[in-house]
Order: sequence, then C-alpha cells, then structure tokens
Amino acid sequence: DTEVTQTPKHLVMGMTNKKSLKCEQHMGHRAMYWYKQKAKKPPELMFVYSYEKLSINESVPSRFSPECPNSSLLNLHLHALQPEDSALYLCASSQGPLVGETQYFGPGTRLLVL
Amino acid sequence: GENVEQHPSTLSVQEGDSAVIKCTYSDSASNYFPWYKQELGKRPQLIIDIRSNVGEKKDQRIAVTLNKTAKHFSLHITETQPEDSAVYFCAARKDNAGNMLTFGGGTRLMVKP
Repeated sequence: DTEVTQTPKHLVMGMTNKKSLKCEQHMGHRAMYWYKQKAKKPPELMFVYSYEKLSINESVPSRFSPECPNSSLLNLHLHALQPEDSALYLCASSQGPLVGETQYFGPGTRLLVL
Repeated sequence: GENVEQHPSTLSVQEGDSAVIKCTYSDSASNYFPWYKQELGKRPQLIIDIRSNVGEKKDQRIAVTLNKTAKHFSLHITETQPEDSAVYFCAARKDNAGNMLTFGGGTRLMVKP
C-alpha cells in the first residue's frame, strides 16, 4: 500500500459539534503531518508527529486536538470550531522526520463549519 | 523562520511551449526544495525535488535549478501539455526542527491546447 488515505472526504459541522478526521498509512512511515489549506493558498503546517510523539505544534488553537494512536494512524479531533476554520485538511507522511524525506499527501478532508 | 516567495502567481502558455516558475527563500540554511503539483480538487503530489548540494536536476520534461548564492530555485517544464495544467507549489525546509516545509504561494499554470 503506497497511499495515504483520509476519511471522511467531506464534513459539515456546526460550531458546537465534536468531530474527528482520520488519516491512515501503511507504508511504515514514522512521521505524520497535519496541514490546513484554504482555497487558492498553499498548505500550512499544523502538527508534526514523529515516532507517535507530537514534535511540532505550529501554535494551533486548542479547538484542534491531534492524536496518534499508533504508527499507522493519525487523528485530528475538532471541537467548537469557527466558520473561518473551513478549509481542506491534508494529512501527509514521510519515512521519518529527517530533512528531505519526501512527504506524501492524502486526498484531504474538505471541512465546512456553519 | 523561513519565507518562500513564488512567481508568477498565474502563468498561461501555449501547448508545446516551456514554462518557468521561480521561487526565492530567505533562510540560507535551507537545504531541501521540493516541488508539488496540485490538480483541482486533488492532493499535492511531489513532482521533483533538489538538495542544496546539487545545482540542477532533471526528470524527463521537468527540471529544477538551484542557485544557493542568490537563494532562488526554479522549475522548468518543457513541451507543456494540457495535463500539466495545475497549481504548482515550491517549498523549502524551514529550519533544523525536522522535516518542516514552508510553501510558496503557488502558481496556477494553464496550458492552452
């Protein structure tokens, strides 16, 4: 399996809802990433997990809560989001956390917050 | 931190022509520069990358050049085809804290048949 998968593909939620995004890879990669991408903008890094531990948090609001239950799975828990959080959420993975290791992106979850 | 500027923001070429997209970066310690292609509604996909110990890299119709002194790198696509139409993002490794990428603003390339 040479792909990063993400579910759901689309998600609509209200500002009081709690939802989770899921990302999975079976390439044996030990680094996983969450990015946020607004329309016509580049991806912006949110979190980096390295060997199942959170290594980087790019000052993301606490209403976004990442979790890495095992080396293949990465979740992003969402709670009390704002309409401006509507975006495409991309997961990526790389073989390890070292510089220059190719990051492979999932197809993304398109989130709409009402 | 790293800052990456990308130009032009849109580029329209005729099929068969060449396309060049340029990026500049601010952190002289950056040493890894990938290029991603993102078609509408799809995931970013790596098309080519270059490390700072190399000045040029080529893969069929795609090439990337790096000028470390001037801190800029460019993507060259020759013999463009309609399927090359997409948004292209350059990126640079941000700092010493792992494999963090900073992306340029993107270039929307349109190849007219």
